[in-house]
Amino acid sequence: SQKIEQNSEALNIQEGKTATLTCNYTNYSPAYLQWYRQDPGRGPVFLLLIRENEKEKRKERLKVTFDTTLKQSLFHITASQPADSATYLCALEGNYGQNFVFGPGTRLSVLP
Amino acid sequence: SQTIHQWPATLVQPVGSPLSLECTVEGTSNPNLYWYRQAAGRGLQLLFYSVGIGQISSEVPQNLSASRPQDRQFILSSKKLLLSDSGFYLCAWTRQQGGGGYTFGSGTRLTVV
Repeated sequence: SQKIEQNSEALNIQEGKTATLTCNYTNYSPAYLQWYRQDPGRGPVFLLLIRENEKEKRKERLKVTFDTTLKQSLFHITASQPADSATYLCALEGNYGQNFVFGPGTRLSVLP
Repeated sequence: SQTIHQWPATLVQPVGSPLSLECTVEGTSNPNLYWYRQAAGRGLQLLFYSVGIGQISSEVPQNLSASRPQDRQFILSSKKLLLSDSGFYLCAWTRQQGGGGYTFGSGTRLTVV
């Protein structure tokens, strides 16, 4: 069955450093991979989507890579700030939206 | 612009009581609509999705049901709540199936006592 793992349940980094979160999957060939941010008691907020034929995508301080051979996506936040502290979720999706599934999330804490 | 409304924000209900959570989307037509549940410290579990009025697909057989009486309205219901129904319920929509980001509502925290 499909399985998604995110590298760690929690990650602490110092302000100003680059945060790197990992999403690994097995038994899946997704057409799309998405990243979301979720704050406590709130719904997830869509950040970035990357297609299977794309290697990298950037948006402001965010960068996502997608390696379909390794079955892995990396999510980077450069020049991290305490306001970046949240849980980050990756999600996989098939061509027509089938088999849409979220990973368990990584709770990022950026320490001042 | 598109917005999604979900209510109530919090709800405390006794075991065996009925449930009705409502979600509406504004600023778009024919959205794909979803109900998710997130248990404390757990991931998001898809409960139901709908691609059109009256079309409901269930992902997990359980004590809950969903209905879509209007294009932009999605309702989650239960006739008799169980303790295990407690959780954070989220409504979401997307314009297209495949390649579109999901927009989530603010959620309903349900506690069954």
